[in-house]
Amino acid sequence: KAGVTQTPRYLIKTRGQQVTLSCSPISGHRSVSWYQQTPGQGLQFLFEYFSETQRNKGNFPGRFSGRQFSNSRSEMNVSTLELGDSALYLCASSFGAGGQETQYFGPGTRLLVL
Amino acid sequence: QKEVEQNSGPLSVPEGAIASLNCTYSDRVSQSFFWYRQYSGKSPELIMSIYSNGDKEDGRFTAQLNKASQYVSLLIRDSQPSDSATYLCAVHASGGSYIPTFGRGTSLIVHP
Repeated sequence: KAGVTQTPRYLIKTRGQQVTLSCSPISGHRSVSWYQQTPGQGLQFLFEYFSETQRNKGNFPGRFSGRQFSNSRSEMNVSTLELGDSALYLCASSFGAGGQETQYFGPGTRLLVL
Repeated sequence: QKEVEQNSGPLSVPEGAIASLNCTYSDRVSQSFFWYRQYSGKSPELIMSIYSNGDKEDGRFTAQLNKASQYVSLLIRDSQPSDSATYLCAVHASGGSYIPTFGRGTSLIVHP
């Protein structure tokens, strides 16, 4: 079974631009979560989507948004990029039933904002 | 606020030794516990999950859970240089929580 895929793998943007990242979960998984990882802050939860609905949200500004499509693929968008948005953005998928579920991570998208 | 605490390290052990990584959590009703390994520049990969008190072994890895003391640990026997990575502890609360809380990770260095 194919794992979680993320595109693109690397991105360089300048301040003020916007960016869209894509994630395709493991086949059969309906939950997709997004995380931001930086050396200083560790792994921080952005939001989680299940059946095209945002089910959970972390403490990030409204510049960070996402959506999920009917095939469970998800995108996240960051508008008006800031230098501090430079990070590794990770997508993780799970079945979505809650409780004792394992999240499986994609390879990540490394974003550099200049 | 739910918290998961890990010593950031680095924890340095010689090749062949046992590496012991610890994680404490604040939410008493936590039910599911996971250890992930993350190599530098890569994404986290699952090593083990544990749900019940006691030990769970998988090859060179043993996870230990003590819910009364609110800690979970990972032992790596016969440590190899390829085990050098950051190890993340993740904890799921009960009540249908969909999102685990991650610790910041412990950096492990296994030197030859």
